[in-house]
Amino acid sequence: AQSVAQPEDQVNVAEGNPLTVKCTYSVSGNPYLFWYVQYPNRGLQFLLKYITGDNLVKGSYGFEAEFNKSQTSFHLKKPSALVSDSALYFCAVRAFTGGGNKLTFGTGTQLKVEL
Amino acid sequence: EPEVTQTPSHQVTQMGQEVILRCVPISNHLYFYWYRQILGQKVEFLVSFYNNEISEKSEIFDDQFSVERPDGSNFTLKIRSTKLEDSAMYFCASSEKAGPPGTEAFFGQGTRLTVV
Repeated sequence: AQSVAQPEDQVNVAEGNPLTVKCTYSVSGNPYLFWYVQYPNRGLQFLLKYITGDNLVKGSYGFEAEFNKSQTSFHLKKPSALVSDSALYFCAVRAFTGGGNKLTFGTGTQLKVEL
Repeated sequence: EPEVTQTPSHQVTQMGQEVILRCVPISNHLYFYWYRQILGQKVEFLVSFYNNEISEKSEIFDDQFSVERPDGSNFTLKIRSTKLEDSAMYFCASSEKAGPPGTEAFFGQGTRLTVV
């Protein structure tokens, strides 16, 4: 069974400061890892993914994430946070089973960026 | 930019009634999914659909649920005899492929189902 843990319900950061949203995963075989963002009353918006290759992946809106196989982590980062980054962030994992390829989501981390 | 569209945005129904949630996936995508998010909780997988059949379903997806691709563009989720606990945001998603590079699923904006 695959699972994702997001240990922080909320992360507060001042605008201009770097941010990190943590994610660890458990999956059999090679993981495909994703970050999605959800703004209020909106759907899930794809930010970035790790499939293979370089452990540091870059995505939309200046976000990046670092895959660490030994720590089974995929933390989301941004060098300089903006107030507009305030949203709910979900980490997700998929194990390629050759069948349904379902995503398993974490519980989400609310990011609050303040002036 | 292509997007997944869902209708309606909000559906209120009485307990025991049937509802159909509609989705138009991105046109060249081959894999379709339904997820749900109960208020304040995480997003949960319901079902995936490929080649006109269910490829995987969760334990949530019991006999009261069904999916259909009635034509070349729509993908529907039917809930028969709705229960109060079916109240949630239902997300449709689609992906181009199963394997890389096109693995990311694109989500619609959701249908908020309220069962009263």
